[in-house]
Amino acid sequence: KAGVTQTPRYLIKTRGQQVTLSCSPISGHRSVSWYQQTPGQGLQFLFEYFSETQRNKGNFPGRFSGRQFSNSRSEMNVSTLELGDSALYLCASSSQGQTNTEAFFGQGTRLTVV
Amino acid sequence: GQNIDQPTEMTATEGAIVQINCTYQTSGFNGLFWYQQHAGEAPTFLSYNVLDGLEEKGRFSSFLSRSKGYSYLLLKELQMKDSASYLCATSNTGGFKTIFGAGTRLFVKA
Repeated sequence: KAGVTQTPRYLIKTRGQQVTLSCSPISGHRSVSWYQQTPGQGLQFLFEYFSETQRNKGNFPGRFSGRQFSNSRSEMNVSTLELGDSALYLCASSSQGQTNTEAFFGQGTRLTVV
Repeated sequence: GQNIDQPTEMTATEGAIVQINCTYQTSGFNGLFWYQQHAGEAPTFLSYNVLDGLEEKGRFSSFLSRSKGYSYLLLKELQMKDSASYLCATSNTGGFKTIFGAGTRLFVKA
């Protein structure tokens, strides 16, 4: 059974640009969550999608958005990039998205904004 | 809101036992997770506690006290490969999100 796949693995962008990151969950999993990980802050929750619906959102500015497709694949978009957006972006999938189930993480996309 | 505190770093010796503590404040508590994350890798699930008490799984055990908002992860017979970050996380009912602490970096020395 394939794990969670995130693409691309590495990305370098310039301030002001926008970026789209992709996450393919484990087959059969309908919930996808996104996190931003930085050395000082740990994993910060961005949003969670289940069956194409955003069910919760973290405390990030509107420049951060996401969506989920009918096949459960998810994308997140960051517009007008800032230097502070440099981070590892992780997505995690779970079968039903219940908060008492284990999440499976992808390897992440390391975004560097210059 | 939700708030999680855990020590930033710990160092222990190979073969020893180490306890990593986590305190939390959350509304609608629906369980506490521990994840392990090696440098440059994805976090992987270690344990989930929703009831008070100790859950043992091989060399790893996790404890929860809901009344105290407290959990710990106990690692026995430490091995060098246990050097990693250990992330404490809470979930809440109806929130559809899991909130993570900043993690504890554990260094295991020979």
